[in-house]
Amino acid sequence: DADVTQTPRNRITKTGKRIMLECSQTKGHDRMYWYRQDPGLGLQLIYYSFDVKDINKGEISDGYSVSRQAQAKFSLSLESAIPNQTALYFCATRSGGSNEQFFGPGTRLTVL
Amino acid sequence: AQSVTQLDSHVSVSEGTPVLLRCNYSSSYSPSLFWYVQHPNKGLQLLLKYTSAATLVKGINGFEAEFKKSETSFHLTKPSAHMSDAAEYFCVVSDLDFGNEKLTFGTGTRLTIIP
Repeated sequence: DADVTQTPRNRITKTGKRIMLECSQTKGHDRMYWYRQDPGLGLQLIYYSFDVKDINKGEISDGYSVSRQAQAKFSLSLESAIPNQTALYFCATRSGGSNEQFFGPGTRLTVL
Repeated sequence: AQSVTQLDSHVSVSEGTPVLLRCNYSSSYSPSLFWYVQHPNKGLQLLLKYTSAATLVKGINGFEAEFKKSETSFHLTKPSAHMSDAAEYFCVVSDLDFGNEKLTFGTGTRLTIIP
C-alpha cells in the first residue's frame, strides 16, 4: 500500500462549489504539506502543518483552507472554487528529523 | 532567498546515449538539493539528494548528480538512457535549516527518449 494517499484522484467541479481534497499517510511523519502544480511550472506551497495544532500558510494560500484532523490526515478545501484553481494538487509528508519530503500521487482538479 | 533554474524545458536523447539535465541554484545558506522524477499520472519520486556530504551523489535507476558550489550547479546525469526514463524531472532546493519549510522547485525538464 502507498505511504501517502490522496482522494479523489480526479475531480471536475463547477465555479462556486466547495471542494475538499484529502490526504492520508502511514509514514508516521509529523509534517504535512499541500502543493499545487500548474503546467510548465514547479510546485508551489499552499499550506503546511507541523502537527495537529500547527498550521501555516505557504506562498499561495489565498482561496484555500486546510484542516489537520489527526497526525495522519491533512485536508485541503476550496471554499468557492474558481477556474484558475484548476491544477494538479500534491500532498507531501516529512519527518522532523529529515528534509526529504514524500509525495502522494496527486489529485487532478478541474474547475469549469 | 533561494531559487532554482532548470536550463532546459525539454531534452530529447536517443536510447542508450547519455543524459544531462541542467540545474543551477541560488541559496543564502548551505543548501540541500534534490532531484525528483514525475512519470505521467504519477506522483513525484525522489531520485537523489545532496545534503553536504559527498559532492557526487548517486541515486536510483543509474542517475547521479554532482554538486558544484563554485558553479552553483547540480546537474543530473545518466550514462545510458532507457525508454523508461521518459518523464518530467524537477530540481529542488531547500536551505539546510529545518525551521525553513520551503522547498523551491524548478520549472521542470521533460525528458524524451528516442527509440
